[in-house]
Amino acid sequence: DSGVTQTPKHLITATGQRVTLRCSPRSGDLSVYWYQQSLDQGLQFLIQYYNGEERAKGNILERFSAQQFPDLHSELNLSSLELGDSALYFCASSVAQLAPDTQYFGPGTRLTVL
Amino acid sequence: AQTVTQSQPEMSVQEAETVTLSCTYDTSESDYYLFWYKQPPSRQMILVIRQEAYKQQNATENRFSVNFQKAAKSFSLKISDSQLGDAAMYFCAYRGTTSGTYKYIFGTGTRLKVLA
Repeated sequence: DSGVTQTPKHLITATGQRVTLRCSPRSGDLSVYWYQQSLDQGLQFLIQYYNGEERAKGNILERFSAQQFPDLHSELNLSSLELGDSALYFCASSVAQLAPDTQYFGPGTRLTVL
Repeated sequence: AQTVTQSQPEMSVQEAETVTLSCTYDTSESDYYLFWYKQPPSRQMILVIRQEAYKQQNATENRFSVNFQKAAKSFSLKISDSQLGDAAMYFCAYRGTTSGTYKYIFGTGTRLKVLA
């Protein structure tokens, strides 16, 4: 158990819908990262937050947005969902922003868009 | 832009034998960090080993060790005395240290099969 929690574990929805994925980092970690892993693919970095502020952005679609709240949990919002958005979405956390300390991954949320 | 390449989509190893997974990367930075992550069937991402580019000594964690060749931009993972529990996808990852490169860049992964 990495200490990072993600809810829900599974999510099934229809095209055009909007969903919210939630992540709680490890106690004491200030950085949260979001990744997308499509079937049999590597991880694609989406976005990073540090202590409530956006710090780095990857290949995140405009239909996707995220935020980190004062209690440091983070939410990833996916809207106008398409079939191609079906994937495993990981959240990871680490202590710092700048130091390349270890990222600890949550168990992921499996999103299926029908 | 930085890239990470894992040229072996799949590898097999006999139980108790040694296997080496390859990873190459491209970067113009002189200081960076490299990681190997394991993803078993549970899909959980687990850190296996980490290497700081400024360190010449290769990192070692029990049965796992790396061969870090900075000039060649190569970062291979050696698994000794392979066990059935080592069967998983293995991802190589890069993290820079200059502004704008803090994100982790992952390779496409190598699926390791361990044969009993």
